[in-house]
Amino acid sequence: GAVVSQHPSWVICKSGTSVKIECRSLDFQATTMFWYRQFPKQSLMLMATSNEGSKATYEQGVEKDKFLINHASLTLSTLTVTSAHPEDSSFYICSVRVISATEAFFGQGTRLTVV
Amino acid sequence: GENVEQHPSTLSVQEGDSAVIKCTYSDSASNYFPWYKQELGKRPQLIIDIRSNVGEKKDQRIAVTLNKTAKHFSLHITETQPEDSAVYFCAASFSGSARQLTFGSGTQLTVLP
Repeated sequence: GAVVSQHPSWVICKSGTSVKIECRSLDFQATTMFWYRQFPKQSLMLMATSNEGSKATYEQGVEKDKFLINHASLTLSTLTVTSAHPEDSSFYICSVRVISATEAFFGQGTRLTVV
Repeated sequence: GENVEQHPSTLSVQEGDSAVIKCTYSDSASNYFPWYKQELGKRPQLIIDIRSNVGEKKDQRIAVTLNKTAKHFSLHITETQPEDSAVYFCAASFSGSARQLTFGSGTQLTVLP
């Protein structure tokens, strides 16, 4: 199956700072990547769909100016949490689905803690 | 959009017994239904999936059934083992393009030794 690498695995930042999370597809080109957020003991909720070469599509209730997504190449999408606050502390995970297959492939996830 | 409901939220079974988790979906256009196992702090792992042109699929101790008419699908785990303890998520999507998965709320399965 496809390999998706996400970095960093965990990060602690101070309130008010920004954090960048990278998601890379290592063995195929991904025109679309998905970013999910998972709070403790809850499900994965889609935040946005990252489209290579164009603007991301955000789900209702997700602030596009706070969660900046850049998909500048076919193998890399980044999520930047700007002006992070403690309520942004969560598990962020990216996903890729290859059009020629049905299975979704996930990155390792990033545990963000804002103090 | 798609809405997936999952029950129960917690399930405890004795080792060796069977476990069943049920999901319903709302979008009749959905045609791909995967099940994931997630351990704490880890990425979801696909354990089995089914497409809408199939009513049942089995892989060793794990099986999934799909009722398209009723829009529900179920995960069956037989001969449960302590290592099956984890959170299980169902999901639904349309597989014809790179569309996102919509996840159920999850089931915490505990297998008691």
